[in-house]
Amino acid sequence: ETGVTQTPRHLVMGMTNKKSLKCEQHLGHNAMYWYKQSAKKPLELMFVYSLEERVENNSVPSRFSPECPNSSHLFLHLHTLQPEDSALYLCASSRESGQETQYFGPGTRLLVL
Amino acid sequence: SQQGEEDPQALSIQEGENATMNCSYKTSINNLQWYRQNSGRGLVHLILIRSNEREKHSGRLRVTLDTSKKSSSLLITASRAADTASYFCATYDTGRRALTFGSGTRLQVQP
Repeated sequence: ETGVTQTPRHLVMGMTNKKSLKCEQHLGHNAMYWYKQSAKKPLELMFVYSLEERVENNSVPSRFSPECPNSSHLFLHLHTLQPEDSALYLCASSRESGQETQYFGPGTRLLVL
Repeated sequence: SQQGEEDPQALSIQEGENATMNCSYKTSINNLQWYRQNSGRGLVHLILIRSNEREKHSGRLRVTLDTSKKSSSLLITASRAADTASYFCATYDTGRRALTFGSGTRLQVQP
């Protein structure tokens, strides 16, 4: 257990659905991250939040919408996704943003049909 | 662009042997980190080595850092089947203000 939880662990959705991924950290960290991991591709940074403010939006399509209501929770809202969005979505947190060690959740395996 | 790149991409060894993975990076760093990922799971931090350190140990792990060559290596001694996983190095990307991970080395330890 890393202190970072993600729900759901698996999700199957159609291209017209709207769903949300949830991440919660119990470590008292101030920074949280969303990553996308596709088969045979490096880990892709999607969003960075520091003290609940987005500090990085890595040219992610608008069909992915993050939300950070407080420093312990991070959401990724999904709508009108494409099959190529199928991947493992990983949440991580760190004490501060930057070069700190990151603690990862177990991920949500997403399949878009 | 990827800051850290690992090689080999895949490595298969027998239990009890040592496994060495290498990481190369492009820009100046303050530290370099190694992470491990079991199939389909989240990454787990293994070890962090600072730019003023040349070698660091943690249990069966030994990490070296050569800033002149912009490279690092991770050595796992006396490997076990449970060490089967993907291993990633990570460095800080000042442009993105976040860690950047390489493509990883997939290690298979045969029992």
